Amino acid sequence: AQSVTQPDIHITVSEGASLELRCNYSYGATPYLFWYVQSPGQGLQLLLKYFSGDTLVQGIKGFEAEFKRSQSSFNLRKPSVHWSDAAEYFCAVGASNTGNQFYFGTGTSLTVIP
Amino acid sequence: DTGVSQDPRHKITKRGQNVTFRCDPISEHNRLYWYRQTLGQGPEFLTYFQNEAQLEKSRLLSDRFSAERPKGSFSTLEIQRTEQGDSAMYLCASSLTGVSNQPQHFGDGTRLSIL
Repeated sequence: AQSVTQPDIHITVSEGASLELRCNYSYGATPYLFWYVQSPGQGLQLLLKYFSGDTLVQGIKGFEAEFKRSQSSFNLRKPSVHWSDAAEYFCAVGASNTGNQFYFGTGTSLTVIP
Repeated sequence: DTGVSQDPRHKITKRGQNVTFRCDPISEHNRLYWYRQTLGQGPEFLTYFQNEAQLEKSRLLSDRFSAERPKGSFSTLEIQRTEQGDSAMYLCASSLTGVSNQPQHFGDGTRLSIL
């Protein structure tokens, strides 16, 4: 069965520091991978997506993610965090045999300290 | 592109009452999804529509839940005889049809609180 694991429930970083949020997935074939961000009381905003091709994908707000098949990972990175990046981040996997539903991880809450 | 719109944003009701939520997807999107999100969790799939056809339902969607998309545009999610455990954020998303790897675009959700 498909599943997504986000090992870090909560991360705190200083403004200007680099960031990496971890995501591991379980799926037998090539997955379609997504990162979403959610601010309190809001819906989810798509940051970036991976379907195929270049394993390093660029997204909005300066985020990037790298797909590593050997590690079943799709970690999100940002070289310099801004205070406005504080939010909840969700990794999701979708695939052709899941009936078009997405499977989400439990999320990583990011706190940014000045 | 006005985005996915959900109404109401918040709903407070007493246990045992019926509630109905509405979702208006992005106009050109044929697919519409409903998810439920509880505190500290990621969204969990409930059901999805391709145009007006409801093609898949999760085990989470008990008999008290019903969703419709009568004209293939907006959708409603109704919960009958609400229970405490129904308290959650209900998210709607939409996407283009044709391929399964299209990203889903989410609304801001309806937060349901059962007293």
